[in-house]
Amino acid sequence: GESVGLHLPTLSVQEGDNSIINCAYSNSASDYFIWYKQESGKGPQFIIDIRSNMDKRQGQRVTVLLNKTVKHLSLQIAATQPGDSAVYFCAEIPSGGGATNKLIFGTGTLLAVQP
Amino acid sequence: GAVVSQHPSRVICKSGTSVKIECRSLDFQATTMFWYRQFPKQSLMLMATSNEGSKATYEQGVEKDKFLINHASLTLSTLTVTSAHPEDSSFYICSANTGREKLFFGSGTQLSVL
Repeated sequence: GESVGLHLPTLSVQEGDNSIINCAYSNSASDYFIWYKQESGKGPQFIIDIRSNMDKRQGQRVTVLLNKTVKHLSLQIAATQPGDSAVYFCAEIPSGGGATNKLIFGTGTLLAVQP
Repeated sequence: GAVVSQHPSRVICKSGTSVKIECRSLDFQATTMFWYRQFPKQSLMLMATSNEGSKATYEQGVEKDKFLINHASLTLSTLTVTSAHPEDSSFYICSANTGREKLFFGSGTQLSVL
């Protein structure tokens, strides 16, 4: 399950199960959202993105859902594998970010896949 | 995807010395690069936006005289941590704008100040 406290929220799942990672964003005017995966000691890696005129987008084994009413974003990972273990961040580009593409990152969730 | 190279990956220095970190876009030109700082188990915090040929734009609370940013070409931005102290120890990450919204990140630099 999930836990929130002084450490990163952690989601523990069994290998093969589906994972759902949630994110609440802050700016109702944001029009572009991205999920990143960060492994220990490395930079963030792009997973999937979605624009505010969509509510769902699918990639390979991943799906992003956007609920603008409650400013909520989720990342679903199907058939979670040990290699999916990492910290996942949602990020938003506020409307008007324009050419600078200033990304604002969420707090992150540590996904721990149990074999 | 586009490749962003960041060097060094790890640096250990004595308190009071300066450290330079390089960020290069290898296969594209980046008019804008970003510098982030990340403490253990925390999110990435934007420090500054680096624009080619002009002064960097710093986020609130970031000391521009301590974190010097230079973006002299379309493929290179540097971050210099001047007179580093132990509290500057952190993971520093750069990213580059390909001209579209998707940003690509460097592999990060772990700075340890003794």
